[in-house]
Order: sequence, then C-alpha cells, then structure tokens
Amino acid sequence: GAGVSQSPRYKVAKRGQDVALRCDPISGHVSLFWYQQALGQGPEFLTYFQNEAQLDKSGLPSDRFFAERPEGSVSTLKIQRTQQEDSAVYLCASSLGGLLTTATNTGELFFGEGSRLTVL
Amino acid sequence: SQQGEEDPQALSIQEGENATMNCSYKTSINNLQWYRQNSGRGLVHLILIRSNEREKHSGRLRVTLDTSKKSSSLLITASRAADTASYFCATDYSNFGNEKLTFGTGTRLTIIP
Repeated sequence: GAGVSQSPRYKVAKRGQDVALRCDPISGHVSLFWYQQALGQGPEFLTYFQNEAQLDKSGLPSDRFFAERPEGSVSTLKIQRTQQEDSAVYLCASSLGGLLTTATNTGELFFGEGSRLTVL
Repeated sequence: SQQGEEDPQALSIQEGENATMNCSYKTSINNLQWYRQNSGRGLVHLILIRSNEREKHSGRLRVTLDTSKKSSSLLITASRAADTASYFCATDYSNFGNEKLTFGTGTRLTIIP
C-alpha cells in the first residue's frame, strides 16, 4: 500500500478482555516498530522486528503484551487481560532498511495513524 | 522512559514569526531525527541529522546538533497556521541488530493566525 495501515483505528475493551491490533507496513520494508503513546506524551518504544525476527522486545511492559510478524510483513500486537493502564494509542512504524543511513536508506520511520485503545 | 526532553513543552507564536524548539538527550547517538504529529494522527518525519553533522536545512526548517552539549534545536521560519502540531525529537542509539529510535516528550506548537 501507499502507507502504513493500522486497524482498528479505535478499540474499546472491557477490563480483562484480550485485544489484537494489526499493522500493515509499507510493502518491502524490512524493519517494523511498535510504540505506545499515552495522552500528551511522546511515543514509547515497545518492540522491533527485522523481517520476521523480533530482535528487541525490551519495551513490552508486561508478559500480557505479545507481538508477532510471522511472514515478515503484517504484524499483530496482542494484549491479554487488558487493564485500564493499557489505554493509549499504539503506533506502528516501518522502515525500508532500519535506522542505519546508507546511500539507499534514509533511516526515517513511516508511521501509521495509530490504534487508540480505551480500556473501561 | 523518554530519553530526550524538548523545551519548551508548549509554544504559542504569531503567524509569520519564527519558532525554535530545543531537545536534550543523554547518551551518544548515531543520528537525531525530528518528527511532527498533528492531533490524533501518526508521526511524520521532518529531518534527520547525523552525529557528524552540525547543521541541516530543509525548506523552512533548520536543525542544529551539538554533540558536546547533547542537544539539538529545530527552527521553523516564517511560521504558518498549518505548522500547528506537536514536534518530537528522536535519538538513534542503535547497535548492530538492536535498533531503537527513542522519542522525547514533545513541544506543542500553536501558531496564532
């Protein structure tokens, strides 16, 4: 597609429910990042994929959070047993070749519009 | 946790004036990027400056980087109402295979028509 697509744009969940957030990166982009953004704050890193390999998951706040990218394209962020503190916007970003700038890679991230999760 | 801090947290100026935002960070970086976010939208990349660069221009944007002070500034000249948004600096501390772009707390810029 032309840009990074995220779905759903808005999700309301009752506390304790499981949710799944989907990210379709730009076709051909190797790197994929998930961020969590609380209201009025900057995005906080959650996890990073290079193709299908999850190379860094140090930002996932608890074992209730799980991310996958099985075929190296679409990624899903799953949150189990949601809590009120999980309410935030979840942003997905992709990059052609990661953050390293080269002759063919600018190092910039392309973001989706985000999925706003509200846990009641 | 946020690794960078923007200053000021909020800035309101008249249309046509210049806007300056500052960013400080904590450890050595590979590069520093600035992003813009309109309310309720995703982030849009504005400009990247490498650790060995001191200044970079793109249209009405001017970015400086002082690695000795671990700080950067973003200058928007001749501001327009459409520049109203939040602006974030992001620092790249990546090691081989461990890529991470860490965002600051942001500056909320309001341009008054």
